[in-house]
Amino acid sequence: AQSVTQPDIHITVSEGASLELRCNYSYGATPYLFWYVQSPGQGLQLLLKYFSGDTLVQGIKGFEAEFKRSQSSFNLRKPSVHWSDAAEYFCAVGGDTGGFKTIFGAGTRLFVKA
Amino acid sequence: KAGVTQTPRYLIKTRGQQVTLSCSPISGHRSVSWYQQTPGQGLQFLFEYFSETQRNKGNFPGRFSGRQFSNSRSEMNVSTLELGDSALYLCASSRGFDTQYFGPGTRLTVL
Repeated sequence: AQSVTQPDIHITVSEGASLELRCNYSYGATPYLFWYVQSPGQGLQLLLKYFSGDTLVQGIKGFEAEFKRSQSSFNLRKPSVHWSDAAEYFCAVGGDTGGFKTIFGAGTRLFVKA
Repeated sequence: KAGVTQTPRYLIKTRGQQVTLSCSPISGHRSVSWYQQTPGQGLQFLFEYFSETQRNKGNFPGRFSGRQFSNSRSEMNVSTLELGDSALYLCASSRGFDTQYFGPGTRLTVL
């Protein structure tokens, strides 16, 4: 069965510190992997995606993610967090299964302290 | 390019009523998907439409239905509303085989 696990419900980091959000997935075929960010009351904004090729992908706002097939992981990282990064982050897996369907993780709420 | 638009942004209904939500995709996108987001269940896939045909469906009761028009705009309908239908309903558009781009959502409150 297709699934996405984000083991951390919430994380608190200090402004300027590094960040890593974990994501593990289960998918029968070659997955398309995504990270989205959601500010309160807003829709989801795409941060980055992985389809194939280089396993380290760069996204917007200084985020990057690394695809590790052996670990079924797609962790999101940022070297220095800004207060404006406080939001909820969703990892997602999708694919063309006769119709493109995306499965989302439960999300990780990021708090940034001054 | 204009992004995905959803109308209305906020809606208040009472139990037993029905509601219709609208989504206009990014120009050129032929796929529209709908999701329900609640604090307890997170983001759950409702259905996907591609070129006016429902191509994928999640595990929701038949009270939830949708359609897509020839211009790719989509509507979602919920009949006989229940309190548990209170949620943020998100629409996403794509070319049909890759990245989905989301609208701001419609916040539905059922009283």
